[in-house]
Amino acid sequence: DAGVIQSPRHEVTEMGQEVTLRCKPISGHDYLFWYRQTMMRGLELLIYFNNNVPIDDSGMPEDRFSAKMPNASFSTLKIQPSEPRDSAVYFCASRLGTNTEAFFGQGTRLTVV
Amino acid sequence: AQKITQTQPGMFVQEKEAVTLDCTYDTSDPSYGLFWYKQPSSGEMIFLIYQGSYDQQNATEGRYSLNFQKARKSANLVISASQLGDSAMYFCAMSKDSSYKLIFGSGTRLLVRP
Repeated sequence: DAGVIQSPRHEVTEMGQEVTLRCKPISGHDYLFWYRQTMMRGLELLIYFNNNVPIDDSGMPEDRFSAKMPNASFSTLKIQPSEPRDSAVYFCASRLGTNTEAFFGQGTRLTVV
Repeated sequence: AQKITQTQPGMFVQEKEAVTLDCTYDTSDPSYGLFWYKQPSSGEMIFLIYQGSYDQQNATEGRYSLNFQKARKSANLVISASQLGDSAMYFCAMSKDSSYKLIFGSGTRLLVRP
């Protein structure tokens, strides 16, 4: 398996634009996590899914953020409209079952100017 | 509430020596898992080691071992015979069986000196 695949790797956008980050989890994994990493706040869990169903989105910062998982092999994180403070590295991770390690994608470095 | 604390923002260690990175956690759940990840400067997150709350023995993986003290709610990572390539950020994480949410501590930056 190629591991967790995120795209794009880098994204530079202007404030106010819509941004969509994409994630393909490892085949067969039933949990998918979205994290945001910044120097100030570290690794924050934004939302996680189990079997494509969102379980906990309490980490989503505000209504500008939304995440979907239409099927077991694809998830998106959308920011609309984007703001400079959204600049961060966004990681997607997947795992199989409970209390097993989560495998991370390479991350998407988002810069909002 | 579920909380992970790493109190050491940065650590130095001499090459070939051992180093302990601290991690404490807070949960009232009896069943949970503890994880350590390494993040080198290239940015990827690399899984190192796992400890289950019911595991009787401390986990070991090569040069990594986890000093699990359940009563103290601590899960310190011990790296033996440090190498220059061990210089990185290290994150402790926890997942409770009741929610399966995986949350991370703030991390410790380790620098290995030659």
